[in-house]
Amino acid sequence: DAGVTQSPTHLIKTRGQQVTLRCSPKSGHDTVSWYQQALGQGPQFIFQYYEEEERQRGNFPDRFSGHQFPNYSSELNVNALLLGDSALYLCASSLQKHTEAFFGQGTRLTVV
Amino acid sequence: AQSVTQLDSQVPVFEEAPVELRCNYSSSVSVYLFWYVQYPNQGLQLLLKYLSGSTLVESINGFEAEFNKSQTSFHLRKPSVHISDTAEYFCAVSAARGSSASKIIFGSGTRLSIRP
Repeated sequence: DAGVTQSPTHLIKTRGQQVTLRCSPKSGHDTVSWYQQALGQGPQFIFQYYEEEERQRGNFPDRFSGHQFPNYSSELNVNALLLGDSALYLCASSLQKHTEAFFGQGTRLTVV
Repeated sequence: AQSVTQLDSQVPVFEEAPVELRCNYSSSVSVYLFWYVQYPNQGLQLLLKYLSGSTLVESINGFEAEFNKSQTSFHLRKPSVHISDTAEYFCAVSAARGSSASKIIFGSGTRLSIRP
């Protein structure tokens, strides 16, 4: 079992650009959540996808959007990048009816 | 809504000494509680969790945490630490909703540094 895999591992973008991050959940998991972890802080919940729909959303602007595919994989899109969007983006997968979430290694996004 | 407070941003200890990382939470509903560990340049790994039942939970590598409802605390302890325990530790909480996965709210983290 490969666990939760995220791509790419590192990314550098320019202010104003758009970025797409990808996540493949652990085998058998149907729910994907995304978190933003700024340097020196704890992860902050962005949103959760289940059955290809956004089920819960944290306090993030509409520039942050996502998608879940029929195979349960997910994408996180961020438009009009700001310097403050620089962070480690973590994907977590779980079963909708279970409490334990498994995290990927993250994508380190740097906005310059 | 839930919130988590980790009272110490950094905890330096000597190898083989005991350690306690403090965590307090706030919630208007029943919660599940977690400790995650993050090694340098890696993602989060679940260390232990409290869902229900016994208030004392243990991990496979010697950590334990005790759920104290009256004090709304979930402190993490280890009687003897090793160099390999050097990492960032995050306390986290989620609403105990039995039928669906809840978002996880994390504390700001405690950096545990072990000195030889």
